[in-house]
Amino acid sequence: DAGITQSPRHKVTETGTPVTLRCHQTENHRYMYWYRQDPGHGLRLIHYSYGVKDTDKGEVSDGYSVSRSKTEDFLLTLESATSSQTSVYFCAISPQGAATEAFFGQGTRLTVV
Amino acid sequence: QKEVEQDPGPLSVPEGAIVSLNCTYSNSAFQYFMWYRQYSRKGPELLMYTYSSGNKEDGRFTAQVDKSSKYISLFIRDSQPSDSATYLCAMTQGAQKLVFGQGTRLTINP
Repeated sequence: DAGITQSPRHKVTETGTPVTLRCHQTENHRYMYWYRQDPGHGLRLIHYSYGVKDTDKGEVSDGYSVSRSKTEDFLLTLESATSSQTSVYFCAISPQGAATEAFFGQGTRLTVV
Repeated sequence: QKEVEQDPGPLSVPEGAIVSLNCTYSNSAFQYFMWYRQYSRKGPELLMYTYSSGNKEDGRFTAQVDKSSKYISLFIRDSQPSDSATYLCAMTQGAQKLVFGQGTRLTINP
């Protein structure tokens, strides 16, 4: 397995609470991504990073923020969780961007009640 | 309309059959085409990678890209129960964003 660790693996939280998901890599890859996966939608990009402190929005970024203060860590924060953010969240890394292989973590199953 | 369309299935075939999985897309700028395989409760993993048009073969798997029709395919020969998974097509212009289809759930029956 590529050296990617997502934490936590499962979380149940209440509507309106902030939630932070962590992605940690040991591969020193430049690019890191956060996706969500929902039935009928496949994988949708939330945010991505192309370097320390360099981030950009994906197609479903509303309600989410990210931070990358170190090469190895990429944090995804739900500022005020809503039921529509119940999903499986995947972190991915790649050495040279979207045209190269992306390595995915095991996923975080988030339920907002 | 989604940039990438993929029939979600489910698709169920007997062991040994040839499987054909397909995606269509609308963005003519896409140049890099990939197929990812995802087992239940796991992250996706890259299966096939193709640049521009043409065919690529790797063992029992063949990927085809027809840019004129904006259509890509993945063929699995001599399918095995271990091939049962969700298959996601993905594509990009080569910039920062990879766009995925919604995935096709495939079951190979022994």
